[in-house]
Amino acid sequence: RKEVEQDPGPFNVPEGATVAFNCTYSNSASQSFFWYRQDCRKEPKLLMSVYSSGNEDGRFTAQLNRASQYISLLIRDSKLSDSATYLCVVNIYNTDKLIFGTGTRLQVFP
Amino acid sequence: DGGITQSPKYLFRKEGQNVTLSCEQNLNHDAMYWYRQDPGQGLRLIYYSQIVNDFQKGDIAEGYSVSREKKESFPLTVTSAQKNPTAFYLCASSYTGASHQAFFGQGTRLTVV
Repeated sequence: RKEVEQDPGPFNVPEGATVAFNCTYSNSASQSFFWYRQDCRKEPKLLMSVYSSGNEDGRFTAQLNRASQYISLLIRDSKLSDSATYLCVVNIYNTDKLIFGTGTRLQVFP
Repeated sequence: DGGITQSPKYLFRKEGQNVTLSCEQNLNHDAMYWYRQDPGQGLRLIYYSQIVNDFQKGDIAEGYSVSREKKESFPLTVTSAQKNPTAFYLCASSYTGASHQAFFGQGTRLTVV
């Protein structure tokens, strides 16, 4: 079983739609969680960190459920520019080891 | 400007040759990482280093080697023992401590010809 699993998609949604991505992790020693965005043939860039109480940044909302070892990302009012691959990332406690999921591809169409 | 620089951007290698990918950062980060990404795949960890003169194997270290002689530099050597080296290689750095984000270089595309 992979340490961090994501639905690869692609998710094809119209502009203005709300879309949600899920991520599960297997290592209970996972301490910190992030969502990164990667555009085609580019390097990943941080979208947002994920906090235990959940957090929001504009149209983006991240949730963490430690009991179920589950992370989610919700995007509201999708824009064409949101088209990218979204990577779930987990930091393992006391190691600085960053584990990436395989990514979920989002395609927003007009 | 602070950042993380990988070079070269594109690299072609003949089968059986070793090749070294450069990664330099001036962000004063202690931790550095090397990942490999294949088409349509996520990032797989090759090696990472939390401090100078120390590094740890990731999930796919076989056929690769690294060194961390300076805080700023973490070069990756792809050896002839790596069976399928054609991929996109990404270097990243961060402060140590779980809450810190990683910053990535622009990557090196390695092709074996």
